[in-house]
Amino acid sequence: GAVVSQHPSWVICKSGTSVKIECRSLDFQATTMFWYRQFPKQSLMLMATSNEGSKATYEQGVEKDKFLINHASLTLSTLTVTSAHPEDSSFYICSARGRPQETQYFGPGTRLLVL
Amino acid sequence: QKEVEQDPGPLSVPEGAIVSLNCTYSNSAFQYFMWYRQYSRKGPELLMYTYSSGNKEDGRFTAQVDKSSKYISLFIRDSQPSDSATYLCAMRRWDTGFQKLVFGTGTRLLVSP
Repeated sequence: GAVVSQHPSWVICKSGTSVKIECRSLDFQATTMFWYRQFPKQSLMLMATSNEGSKATYEQGVEKDKFLINHASLTLSTLTVTSAHPEDSSFYICSARGRPQETQYFGPGTRLLVL
Repeated sequence: QKEVEQDPGPLSVPEGAIVSLNCTYSNSAFQYFMWYRQYSRKGPELLMYTYSSGNKEDGRFTAQVDKSSKYISLFIRDSQPSDSATYLCAMRRWDTGFQKLVFGTGTRLLVSP
């Protein structure tokens, strides 16, 4: 199956700092990328959808100024958590979808801990 | 009512058993159906993808879709302890302008040796 990578796999940061997470589709061109957040023992919560070269579409309740998404190319999307606070600690997972199969593949996730 | 219903489990079975995981949905616009497996602290892994009613087989896994009943299933034959994970059903509408996957809550499967 297609491969999606994320970096870093985990990060610990101090409150108030910004953290950038990279998501790459390694063997296909991702026309659409998604960012999810997952709390322990809960299902995935979609944060935003982005298409290459256009602004991300955020889900209701997700602060776009807090979670900056850049889909700069067909293989790279970044999520920046700005001025992170302890309540932002979570498991962040990116996902990518490309043509022609229209299937959606997930990255391994990034665990963020804000102290 | 949720668009996609899935029993959270846990479902406990002995090694070698046949496992049946199910989801029901309410929106007839869903046309693409997927099953993902998620191990603890990992991203979901795509297991099966189908867009037509009927069965699709891949190794020990069989995905079944019944659009008339709005019901999908994933069968695992000869289950192994390594199959212990959370299984998520997901589905999407046919129109590419509507891009979001809708997930079930996930069923936690425990296969004991």
